[in-house]
Amino acid sequence: DVKVTQSSRYLVKRTGEKVFLECVQDMDHENMFWYRQDPGLGLRLIYFSYDVKMKEKGDIPEGYSVSREKKERFSLILESASTNQTSMYLCASGGRTVSRKFFGPGTRLTVL
Amino acid sequence: LAKTTQPISMDSYEGQEVNITCSHNNIATNDYITWYQQFPSQGPRFIIQGYKTKVTNEVASLFIPADRKSSTLSLPRVSLSDTAVYYCLVGDIEFVNDYKLSFGAGTTVTVRA
Repeated sequence: DVKVTQSSRYLVKRTGEKVFLECVQDMDHENMFWYRQDPGLGLRLIYFSYDVKMKEKGDIPEGYSVSREKKERFSLILESASTNQTSMYLCASGGRTVSRKFFGPGTRLTVL
Repeated sequence: LAKTTQPISMDSYEGQEVNITCSHNNIATNDYITWYQQFPSQGPRFIIQGYKTKVTNEVASLFIPADRKSSTLSLPRVSLSDTAVYYCLVGDIEFVNDYKLSFGAGTTVTVRA
């Protein structure tokens, strides 16, 4: 069974802290994504990676960076967390063709 | 990227059929229609995808008319566990063009006993 796992389900951090969210997939997918989900706003794409060490900005990359050193792992980094980054963060992976993505369970991040 | 419009919410009762229509008037020739389901506190889950006519799997059916300007997701005989948000996405079959597909707000389906 396909699997996308995220390092934490719940996370509480303080303003200014550096935050790492990690995502691992076991499907040998080339493409991985980070979204955030907020009430009334749907899922918004933060960053996308189509290969190791490759990344592209999504719709809302400000305040975030990403790292993909290995094919199965895609990390989202909040360099200096702020309260407006309190949200549900969802990682997904997908193959080369069509638009079928597999999502992880999500990390609910609270920044105090 | 084709813009989609779907109802914000729908209510139903157990055992009924639920039909959610998604409008996508500017769908392009290479675009596929994909539906996802999201339960509370979980990530979205792919449920069905189609290009034209009808597609059926163990979860749902997808009806696409000849002009492809809309599509209807049909959930047969819903149960309480079908309460979820359903997203309609329209995107190019060549992945490199569809990575920015927006999920929008989706349709919140509430099934009551």
